[in-house]
This record gives sequence, structure tokens and C-alpha cells, in this order.
Amino acid sequence: GAGVSQTPSNKVTEKGKYVELRCDPISGHTALYWYRQSLGQGPEFLIYFQGTGAADDSGLPNDRFFAVRPEGSVSTLKIQRTERGDSAVYLCASSRHQTGVGELFFGEGSRLTVL
Amino acid sequence: GQQVMQIPQYQHVQEGEDFTTYCNSSTTLSNIQWYKQRPGGHPVFLIQLVKSGEVKKQKRLTFQFGEAKKNSSLHITATQTTDVGTYLCAGRASGGGADGLTFGKGTHLIIQP
Repeated sequence: GAGVSQTPSNKVTEKGKYVELRCDPISGHTALYWYRQSLGQGPEFLIYFQGTGAADDSGLPNDRFFAVRPEGSVSTLKIQRTERGDSAVYLCASSRHQTGVGELFFGEGSRLTVL
Repeated sequence: GQQVMQIPQYQHVQEGEDFTTYCNSSTTLSNIQWYKQRPGGHPVFLIQLVKSGEVKKQKRLTFQFGEAKKNSSLHITATQTTDVGTYLCAGRASGGGADGLTFGKGTHLIIQP
């Protein structure tokens, strides 16, 4: 595709439910990042993939959060037992470069609201 | 872990005035990137600095990377209403370790016509 695509654009769920957020990066980009952004704050790093493997998952806040990228392209961020504090915009970005060198292309984000 | 701090958090200027935002890292960086985020939008890449003391210009924007590679600044000359948005810096610690880019909280630029 022309850019990074994220679905859904908006998700409203109830506390305790399971949520999946999908990211389709720019074709050929090997690096993929997940961030989350709360209102008025900068993007908070969650996890970084290089190909199929998670090269750095140090930003995942706890074991309720998990992300996969089984074929080195599309990635899914999975949140179990959602809490109200998980409400934020979840941003995905991709890059053709390795390890933090080079431009990140961001998607429009998935806005998650946990009631 | 690595922390990236930006000041000021908010900056109000009159159209035509200059604007500067500062970015400071708790650790030495291998590179620093700057992004602009319009209200309701997603971050858009502006520039990357890699070398100690590097200065780059894009029209009215001037970017600097400190000699110690722990700080950076973005200066906009003669602001225009199209400059409104949040300016974010992001850096990656040098020397290995975590590979994720760490973002600052951003400086929100508000321009009064």
C-alpha cells in the first residue's frame, strides 16, 4: 500500500475485554514499531520488530500486552483484560532501515477507549 | 531507562516571531530525529541528525545536534500559521541496548495571527 494502514481506526470496549489492533506496514519495510500516545503526550514506545522477530519489547507495560508479526509484514497488537488506563491512540510505524536509523512512517493510529 | 525531555511544553508566539524548542537526553544518542504532529494527526518525519555538532537547515527550520550528542534544538524563523503543531524529538541510545526510538513529550506551538 501507499502508506501504513491501521485498523480499526476506533475501538470502544468494556473493561476486561480482549482487543486486537492491526498494522499493515509499507511494502518492503522490514522494521515495524508500536507506540501508544495519550492526549498531550509524546508517543510511548511499546515494541519493535525487525522482520518476524521482536528485536526490542522493553516498552510493553505488562504481560497483558503482546504483539506478533508472523510473516514479517502485518503485525497485530493484542491486549488482554483491558483496563481503563489502556485508553490511548495506538500508533504503528514502519521503516526500511534497521535499528532506529532512518525515517519512521506512521499510520493514522487506532484510538482505543476502554469504558 | 533512557529519557528524552523537551522544553518548553507549550509555546505561544505571534505570527512572524521566531520559535525554538530544546531536546535533552539522559544518555548519549546515536542519532536524533525530529517529527511534526498536527492536531489530530500522526507524527511526520522532518529530519535526522547523526554527527556530533551537526547543523541542518530546511527553509525556515534549523536543526542542531549537540557536541556531546545528548541534546538537540529546532529553531523556526518567522513563524507562519502553517507551523502550528507539536514538534517531537526522538532518539536512540548509542552503544547497543534497546533499539526502540524514545520520543519526548513534544513542544506544542500555538501561533496567534
